[in-house]
Amino acid sequence: DAGITQSPRYKITETGRQVTLMCHQTWSHSYMFWYRQDLGHGLRLIYYSAAADITDKGEVPDGYVVSRSKTENFPLTLESATRSQTSVYFCASSEGLTTDTQYFGPGTRLTVL
Amino acid sequence: DAKTTQPPSMDCAEGRAANLPCNHSTISGNEYVYWYRQIHSQGPQYIIHGLKNNETNEMASLIITEDRKSSTLILPHATLRDTAVYYCIAIYAGGTSYGKLTFGQGTILTVHP
Repeated sequence: DAGITQSPRYKITETGRQVTLMCHQTWSHSYMFWYRQDLGHGLRLIYYSAAADITDKGEVPDGYVVSRSKTENFPLTLESATRSQTSVYFCASSEGLTTDTQYFGPGTRLTVL
Repeated sequence: DAKTTQPPSMDCAEGRAANLPCNHSTISGNEYVYWYRQIHSQGPQYIIHGLKNNETNEMASLIITEDRKSSTLILPHATLRDTAVYYCIAIYAGGTSYGKLTFGQGTILTVHP
């Protein structure tokens, strides 16, 4: 199916474990983004990528690692999960950067115990 | 990016038009007005955007005042599935915001049977 997908949709993990959230888009969009959404904070940008092998930090990158070896995939890794990383994570993609529409995935709800 | 102000909540009867206002009195000439919505537990969804002229697509119409200080999103025939939080965002074309979407509190639209 065309679009942007995220997996898993729900994940429960323990403090200190490594977790990888997957994001896949079928549009060949150049730009991809990872956001987290928490009550009281709205959407906050974690990392973004302008193309394969090009990534950059957003507002709240600490504790997260990204990679983009292929245009269509943009995984987000929590190297050592903490309770403060309990959140809903959204991946998005767009053709361009500033004014181009961003298309969001369905989200991953992550709980760190 | 200019600050936007929206009413916290609105109600609408099913089948009627929903008119959602947004104030962006400090918007600059290079800033687009974008509307997204987020249905409960789903990723944000793009609706429409515009710079100066009124815009219409299959989902909605966007009316921007001549001085560009405010705009109205119109859902012509609201359905129960339109119940969501609606976000109005001003995005600067060519800026250094690296595509970061900053969602404010938005307007909670509730469509009643």
